[in-house]
Amino acid sequence: GNSVTQMEGPVTLSEEAFLTINCTYTATGYPSLFWYVQYPGEGLQLLLKATKADDKGSNKGFEATYRKETTSFHLEKGSVQVSDSAVYFCALSRSYNTDKLIFGTGTRLQVFP
Amino acid sequence: DVKVTQSSRYLVKRTGEKVFLECVQDMDHENMFWYRQDPGLGLRLIYFSYDVKMKEKGDIPEGYSVSREKKERFSLILESASTNQTSMYLCASSPSPGQGNPDTQYFGPGTRLTVL
Repeated sequence: GNSVTQMEGPVTLSEEAFLTINCTYTATGYPSLFWYVQYPGEGLQLLLKATKADDKGSNKGFEATYRKETTSFHLEKGSVQVSDSAVYFCALSRSYNTDKLIFGTGTRLQVFP
Repeated sequence: DVKVTQSSRYLVKRTGEKVFLECVQDMDHENMFWYRQDPGLGLRLIYFSYDVKMKEKGDIPEGYSVSREKKERFSLILESASTNQTSMYLCASSPSPGQGNPDTQYFGPGTRLTVL
């Protein structure tokens, strides 16, 4: 079945640093790929998504490109802020039922001023 | 905005108790989900419902049951709570294909359950 692997955290950065959080996947078929974010004390919310190869999802300065050749969907941001501190989850749709998602283990990002 | 609410933010129960976790969504979504979130394990799907009175087991249904009597409400039931069910429980909903993007899930704030 489909699966997703993301880098362990925590990732600790100073404000305005460049961010990369790695995510790779194993899938049959053509799943959609997602990044969800969980701010402290809140539920998850969709950050961005991509539905086919070479698509780039973007939102709030974050970007991720669906790379079929490397089976990756790395999250990047050029200049992080303290308010970006959160847990980030990579996810993909299941091959046989797109209503259900498979989530990675999450990566905690801590940004210091 | 879609709003998903969960009945409690924090809950403490004793081993063997029957526990009800309630979730309500206000966007008329067809699909609803229950996950548990544990450090190092991410989110794992417990149960899924795609319509009233319809349910489907997820990846870790053992020790849990669910109820969906009304479209907006999805309840998770721990018949006899055990210490290994101490966790953060997250409810989510998503639209059916005719309503919007079914692959976008909307989450509640979570219930942190401690079983002593």
